[in-house]
Amino acid sequence: DAGVIQSPRHEVTEMGQEVTLRCKPISGHNSLFWYRQTMMRGLELLIYFNNNVPIDDSGMPEDRFSAKMPNASFSTLKIQPSEPRDSAVYFCASSLTGGTFREQYFGPGTRLTVT
Amino acid sequence: DAKTTQPPSMDCAEGRAANLPCNHSTISGNEYVYWYRQIHSQGPQYIIHGLKNNETNEMASLIITEDRKSSTLILPHATLRDTAVYYCIVRGYQTGANNLFFGTGTRLTVIP
Repeated sequence: DAGVIQSPRHEVTEMGQEVTLRCKPISGHNSLFWYRQTMMRGLELLIYFNNNVPIDDSGMPEDRFSAKMPNASFSTLKIQPSEPRDSAVYFCASSLTGGTFREQYFGPGTRLTVT
Repeated sequence: DAKTTQPPSMDCAEGRAANLPCNHSTISGNEYVYWYRQIHSQGPQYIIHGLKNNETNEMASLIITEDRKSSTLILPHATLRDTAVYYCIVRGYQTGANNLFFGTGTRLTVIP
């Protein structure tokens, strides 16, 4: 099993540019989560999907952030326009849905630097 | 979701047991206790979870007090690779909702 795959692993961009982060969940998992981690705020949930449908996007900081899941094997997190304060490590995680507990499997993260 | 309180940091000698405490005094009856850890520069990794009974797996043991207001994660023989930030999370089960909220965790340093 390849695990959760994220790309790119590192992204450096200038303020105002559009940034797209990509995630491929573990095959068969039907829940997908986007997190952001910074030193100041720790690990924050941005949005999560069940069966490709966004369930809770209350963690998305503002309208500059958007996430899509066009099919069960792919999701994107887009920032447009990017700002220096968006610099962080962005993690994608996936899990099964249903039952009393489902372990979340995290990807290696994308380190974003906005200059 | 119930709030959790963990010490910010702990040290443990290599080969000894690491006991990581977590206080969750406002936990409700249907809320589980989950533990994840994050090794530097990696994504968080699930360790163990429990409701009210003590649990053990190949990674760790979870001891939950009878009143469920606190718990302890035990790594029986800590190695240098166990150096990480450990997160205690309390989360209720809701249909269709499986999101977790991470706090600041405990930074465990295993010392040679």
